[in-house]
Amino acid sequence: NAGVTQTPKFQVLKTGQSMTLQCAQDMNHEYMSWYRQDPGMGLRLIHYSVGAGITDQGEVPNGYNVSRSTTEDFPLRLLSAAPSQTSVYFCASSYYGTGTTGELFFGEGSRLTVL
Amino acid sequence: AQKITQTQPGMFVQEKEAVTLDCTYDTSDPSYGLFWYKQPSSGEMIFLIYQGSYDQQNATEGRYSLNFQKARKSANLVISASQLGDSAMYFCAMREGAEGSTDKLIFGTGTRLQVFP
Repeated sequence: NAGVTQTPKFQVLKTGQSMTLQCAQDMNHEYMSWYRQDPGMGLRLIHYSVGAGITDQGEVPNGYNVSRSTTEDFPLRLLSAAPSQTSVYFCASSYYGTGTTGELFFGEGSRLTVL
Repeated sequence: AQKITQTQPGMFVQEKEAVTLDCTYDTSDPSYGLFWYKQPSSGEMIFLIYQGSYDQQNATEGRYSLNFQKARKSANLVISASQLGDSAMYFCAMREGAEGSTDKLIFGTGTRLQVFP
């Protein structure tokens, strides 16, 4: 039971570098999303997708890009990392449709440090 | 304005005692859902319990119950018979909109619970 798999779990970047956080789920969930967790601020939504080919911005989208070419994968790209992007990132997925509650299934998180 | 407010940054409870973690929410949508998640020190997010806005009864899941007071817009988590393994960060979250309409969740800032022997 893999569920939601995120890689890498830890990453250190220098300011200006780019990287991609990978997220894959094997539950055939239509909905996928990325959150960032910062101390004292809870989890904030970065981007989300309700299906392949469809993405939209969340609360804090600046500095991040996403794409959804398949149902399974939802990578998060940092094009030019900044120290303000130091955070723990969570990918989450859920069933989406009539009668679903919106319960999110989370990956284990990716801790990113930008120097 | 904050949509989800958790006013207790930290709580202490003795093992085997009950504890209530507070959560208030703000929405004008008549359809919404409320969730509680647990985040142990290992970092993963674990779903605990869900309450829909039209549910007549308070949700329960084992030792967890959700004290849903709609008029007061509160959705407190009650943990009965606390265990050392309950020590964790607890997040309240809300879905604005009917079930199936969206899976965007808004999270509170969390409450850190520490259970002592």
